[in-house]
Amino acid sequence: EPEVTQTPSHQVTQMGQEVILRCVPISNHLYFYWYRQILGQKVEFLVSFYNNEISEKSEIFDDQFSVERPDGSNFTLKIRSTKLEDSAMYFCATRTDGTGYTFGSGTRLTVV
Amino acid sequence: GEDVEQSLFLSVREGDSSVINCTYTDSSSTYLYWYKQEPGAGLQLLTYIFSNMDMKQDQRLTVLLNKKDKHLSLRIADTQTGDSAIYFCAVKDTNAGKSTFGDGTTLTVKP
Repeated sequence: EPEVTQTPSHQVTQMGQEVILRCVPISNHLYFYWYRQILGQKVEFLVSFYNNEISEKSEIFDDQFSVERPDGSNFTLKIRSTKLEDSAMYFCATRTDGTGYTFGSGTRLTVV
Repeated sequence: GEDVEQSLFLSVREGDSSVINCTYTDSSSTYLYWYKQEPGAGLQLLTYIFSNMDMKQDQRLTVLLNKKDKHLSLRIADTQTGDSAIYFCAVKDTNAGKSTFGDGTTLTVKP
């Protein structure tokens, strides 16, 4: 069964550093998303991406965050200057028309 | 915006049926999903239902949708210890790409 692959599975970074989280979507999927889940809390929408541009973003997704599809296969989330409160599990999800999301297994980001 | 509510905990005995409930506020919600999350793992799509359906059955899983009351439920028949996990309800309308998740229901299955 096709999978969404996320790397790394766990990243530890110092406060103020930049991180890039990577996702390889399912090949025929058209819509890409990032969600995050702070430990013990609900899954929160960050951003959706379609046709090489952001289609929607939440208030969490401020100027510190950016997304891109640099090479037509990877889908990345960059956090420019990490804060302690960015520590969370970050999930990439992809879908195509008429389907539910397929989530990756997540990247656990720990900011120290 | 959309609000999705779930009860936080459910405990059942192995072999019993589990029913996890979810309510939502936006009547334009068209796609309604159930996800399972095991400890330390990602979100696994269990099943989904379109708003033009009342019920969907998939092996041990039965989803019931009451559009009038904006109520969605997931029934797991013959619950097993391996079903212990957090179950998230999520809803999406046709126009928004994003899904709104509930807080998740922690299902504990006792032997």
